[in-house]
Amino acid sequence: EIVMTQSPATLSVSPGERATLSCRASQSVSSNLAWYQQKPGQAPRLLIYGASTRATGIPARFSGSGSGTEFTLTISSLQSEDFAVYYCQQYNNWTFGQGTKVEIK
Amino acid sequence: QVQLVQSGAEVKKPGASVKVSCKASGYTFAILVLHWVRQAPGQRLEWMGWINAANGNTKYSETFQGRVSISRDTSASTAYMELSSLRSEDTAVYYCAKNFLNAFDIWGQGTMVTVSS
Repeated sequence: EIVMTQSPATLSVSPGERATLSCRASQSVSSNLAWYQQKPGQAPRLLIYGASTRATGIPARFSGSGSGTEFTLTISSLQSEDFAVYYCQQYNNWTFGQGTKVEIK
Repeated sequence: QVQLVQSGAEVKKPGASVKVSCKASGYTFAILVLHWVRQAPGQRLEWMGWINAANGNTKYSETFQGRVSISRDTSASTAYMELSSLRSEDTAVYYCAKNFLNAFDIWGQGTMVTVSS
């Protein structure tokens, strides 16, 4: 099983600042990597697939990069609605990271 | 637009089975591939398996092999996930999700399953 490890566990950021989230795979997943946002009491929402392609309707402030085993999700200027938990997922055989909580500083 | 609507919360005793439904609308059901994912309290999301609605083919996570069964009723545009031999650790929110290039682009609202004696 491919293990996905996210860091940090919690990220404290002020509105308008940049947030950088990391995700590492225990073996190469090529670009088969997605990012999801989840707010309390809601289902996850697809943000990024193919490591760097924004899903339909996702604002340009969200960007993804990386390939192989190292990936990054960047939120260029945090808005109030962006405070949530973010998960990475590899879809060679579908495992998720443990999540990064982005909270208001 | 595609919408996935799941059945309501369930409370089950250890050893019992639970069957959760996922009704699709706004899309041709027969061309969907639907996944099932669960999220236990404080735990990461965990993939359980998928079904190809066109032919009923399924694939299951080894973690749940032998305990999970995913099926569909094309006439009702509905997929089902049945988990047997329930234990307290199966207490979780269960989601169905639509496959999109192997990521999951549309999710159901989730179904809370509580296993308690």
